[in-house]
Amino acid sequence: QVQLQESGPGLVKPSETLSLICTVSAYSISSGYSWGWIRQPPGKGLDWIGNFHHGGSPYYSPSLKSRVTISLDTSKNQFSLNLTSVTAADTAVYYCARTPRDRGSNWFDSWGQGILVTVSS
Amino acid sequence: QSVLTQPPSVSGAPGQRVTISCTGSSSNIGAGYDVQWYQQFPGTAPKLLINANNNRPSGVPDRFSGSKSGTSASLAITGLQAEDEADYYCQSYDSSLSGSVFGGGTKLTVL
Repeated sequence: QVQLQESGPGLVKPSETLSLICTVSAYSISSGYSWGWIRQPPGKGLDWIGNFHHGGSPYYSPSLKSRVTISLDTSKNQFSLNLTSVTAADTAVYYCARTPRDRGSNWFDSWGQGILVTVSS
Repeated sequence: QSVLTQPPSVSGAPGQRVTISCTGSSSNIGAGYDVQWYQQFPGTAPKLLINANNNRPSGVPDRFSGSKSGTSASLAITGLQAEDEADYYCQSYDSSLSGSVFGGGTKLTVL
């Protein structure tokens, strides 16, 4: 049973970079599947951030594309999220998740527990 | 404003049947992309409930079913139970945005 676990700072200052890591266990991220990030502002709905399939190229939500980078580290079986120039609007619970396909019709079949990141000085 | 539109809330009594709608457009559901449904309890991660419009992953009770027609999809829950009280989200792929999109979520209250 694949497991995903987010880690990183819970507090980030405005204008700085939010950096999170998702550690995957019981499955090699280089074996297939696509790896993504989704966020949920407090009391609000889910927003897709982006995905990255090993052997492919990452793709991002148009609304965040200029500020976001998703990377894979196959040696550590981890993938990461970097979001630059954060503001209070980026305060959210951030989830990492797995999808069976690179693009097109897709679903998030395994999720991390989520990590709350607050943007505040 | 979410790309997929869901009612903010629905309710039903134990044992009843409720449906949650998800309305999209010609660039997502209407383009033939699959619809998924997720169940989320407060303080926990979403859980995949239905994928590929009407497929239930292992362990999901058959009281949950999905359907899709045109630019819309629906989640039906029969034999409503108190433990079904949660938030439900639909999700699909949008070709104009080249990525996944979610509905705004529907809060199900069991009366």
